[in-house]
Amino acid sequence: GENVEQHPSTLSVQEGDSAVIKCTYSDSASNYFPWYKQELGKRPQLIIDIRSNVGEKKDQRIAVTLNKTAKHFSLHITETQPEDSAVYFCAANSGGSNYKLTFGKGTLLTVNP
Amino acid sequence: GAGVSQSPSNKVTEKGKDVELRCDPISGHTALYWYRQSLGQGLEFLIYFQGNSAPDKSGLPSDRFSAERTGGSVSTLTIQRTQQEDSAVYLCASSLALEEHEQFFGPGTRLTVL
Repeated sequence: GENVEQHPSTLSVQEGDSAVIKCTYSDSASNYFPWYKQELGKRPQLIIDIRSNVGEKKDQRIAVTLNKTAKHFSLHITETQPEDSAVYFCAANSGGSNYKLTFGKGTLLTVNP
Repeated sequence: GAGVSQSPSNKVTEKGKDVELRCDPISGHTALYWYRQSLGQGLEFLIYFQGNSAPDKSGLPSDRFSAERTGGSVSTLTIQRTQQEDSAVYLCASSLALEEHEQFFGPGTRLTVL
């Protein structure tokens, strides 16, 4: 089955700096890669996703890059703000299926004012 | 409109007891998913429903776990003879259809087995 590794497990940055979180996956059939943000005590929420037919996608201060050959994808947050502090999860669909997501173990991002 | 809701928000039970967790998906969403989130871990896929059927039960940790969905809406996850290792947050999510990737999560049920 699919295996998703996520690094780092914790990340601390100063407000205004950039943050990068990296994930690798094992199933070459995976074609959908979402990122979820989970604030303390709250539910996970989708912040951005990318499909395998593109290499990069950007939404304001958030961008995701995908390297299918190397089977890794990354989340980039620029000009970080304290409200970006949360746990971020990457995921990949299994075997190219639409429904079954395998999640990484999460990255706790702390943005210091 | 209303998001995914789950009840109870917290459940404390004794080892060996059965528990039922409930999920109300977003109205009109045909796909429903259950995940388990243990402390410091990612989300572990348990089961999904398309309508009332559950084609993939491979994520259920043991035969003590079961889930059903009736009327294509509300789903219940039942854990029989609970064990301490079952303690976790159980999250439910729904999506418009299987082809629609975005999954909307509920607030979760925090289960503590003493």
